[in-house]
Amino acid sequence: DIQMTQSPSSVSASVGDRVTITCRASQGISSWLAWYQQKPGQAPKLLIYAASSLQSGVPSRFSGSGSGTDFTLTISSLQPEDFATYYCQQANSFPLTFGGGTKVEIK
Amino acid sequence: EVQLLESGGGLVQPGGSLRLSCAASGFTFSSYAMTWVRQAPGKGLEWVSGIGGSGSGTYYADSVKGRFTISRDNSKNTLHLQMNSLRAEDTAVYYCAKVYSRWYSDYWGQGTLVTVSS
Repeated sequence: DIQMTQSPSSVSASVGDRVTITCRASQGISSWLAWYQQKPGQAPKLLIYAASSLQSGVPSRFSGSGSGTDFTLTISSLQPEDFATYYCQQANSFPLTFGGGTKVEIK
Repeated sequence: EVQLLESGGGLVQPGGSLRLSCAASGFTFSSYAMTWVRQAPGKGLEWVSGIGGSGSGTYYADSVKGRFTISRDNSKNTLHLQMNSLRAEDTAVYYCAKVYSRWYSDYWGQGTLVTVSS
């Protein structure tokens, strides 16, 4: 199975900050990677797919990059509604696997 | 508008069974793969199972293989997850999700809670 490792597990940031979250796959997954945002008590929301494609309706301050084993989610200017937990997910092969999550908290 | 509504969750004893359902609307159900993802209390997301649009391909996490069965009824726009031999570690909120492209989940239900406890 492909293991997905996210870092950091949590980050404290202020509104307006640039935030970067990384996700590393235990083996190459090409660009078959998604990022999700989850707020407390809510279902996850797809932000990025195919490593760098922005899902319809998602603000352009979110961007994704990477291929192979190393991936990045960047929030260019953190907004109040962005405080949440973020997960990466590989879609290269079954079983699909998620990273452990990164909680973005208010500094 | 895409809507996914899970049902069937509840309290079950270890070793018991439960059948989850997910009623879908707002899209051509038979054209899309579907998936189940769970989240234990206070924990992260765990993919559980997936099924192709026609139902021909089914896929499972190692943790549930042989105990859970995913199926779909395209005539009723409904996805199911039959869960047998339930364990305490199966306690979680179970989400159904519509698959967009390569097993990315673009729409999610609100989840149904399964609690396995004596």
